[in-house]
Amino acid sequence: AQSVTQPDIHITVSEGASLELRCNYSYGATPYLFWYVQSPGQGLQLLLKYFSGDTLVQGIKGFEAEFKRSQSSFNLRKPSVHWSDAAEYFCAVASNSGYSTLTFGKGTMLLVSP
Amino acid sequence: EAGVAQSPRYKIIEKRQSVAFWCNPISGHATLYWYQQILGQGPKLLIQFQNNGVVDDSQLPKDRFSAERLKGVDSTLKIQPAKLEDSAVYLCASSLRSGWGNEQFFGPGTRLTVL
Repeated sequence: AQSVTQPDIHITVSEGASLELRCNYSYGATPYLFWYVQSPGQGLQLLLKYFSGDTLVQGIKGFEAEFKRSQSSFNLRKPSVHWSDAAEYFCAVASNSGYSTLTFGKGTMLLVSP
Repeated sequence: EAGVAQSPRYKIIEKRQSVAFWCNPISGHATLYWYQQILGQGPKLLIQFQNNGVVDDSQLPKDRFSAERLKGVDSTLKIQPAKLEDSAVYLCASSLRSGWGNEQFFGPGTRLTVL
């Protein structure tokens, strides 16, 4: 069965500083990986996704993520955080067969300090 | 383009009562999903519809939860009777088709509190 681990429950970053959110997955074959963001009272919004090819994926709002098969990781990065980035971030994995159900991690809450 | 609509946004009930949530997906989206998001956890898929047929309900507690998608458009999720542990945000999502290549678009959710 597929699973996702996000080791950090909360992260606080100063505005303008760089950000890296960690995600580790467990899946027996090539995974399909996603990062979503959820602002308070809002639904989830897709930031980026990885299916194959280039292991560095660019997304919306200046985010990028790197797929590392050897480490079973798909960490999310942003070079300079803005106060509006404060939200909860979810990593998810989907199987590459059948109806491809999404399995989410528990999320990382990002706090941005002035 | 209008997004996924859900109502109500908030609901407070007592245990053993019944409750229903409504979802209107993005027009033309064949696949509809209901997720349960308990505080401090990521969303968990409850049920997935392809048009008006169920393709995955393996994590739906069928003794108390039911869902339908009449005419392959709107959907209703019902809990009867509710338990304290059902307190959560219920998210509806839709996609053009099922499968990994199709982005899921999420609604704002319904926050349920069971007292």
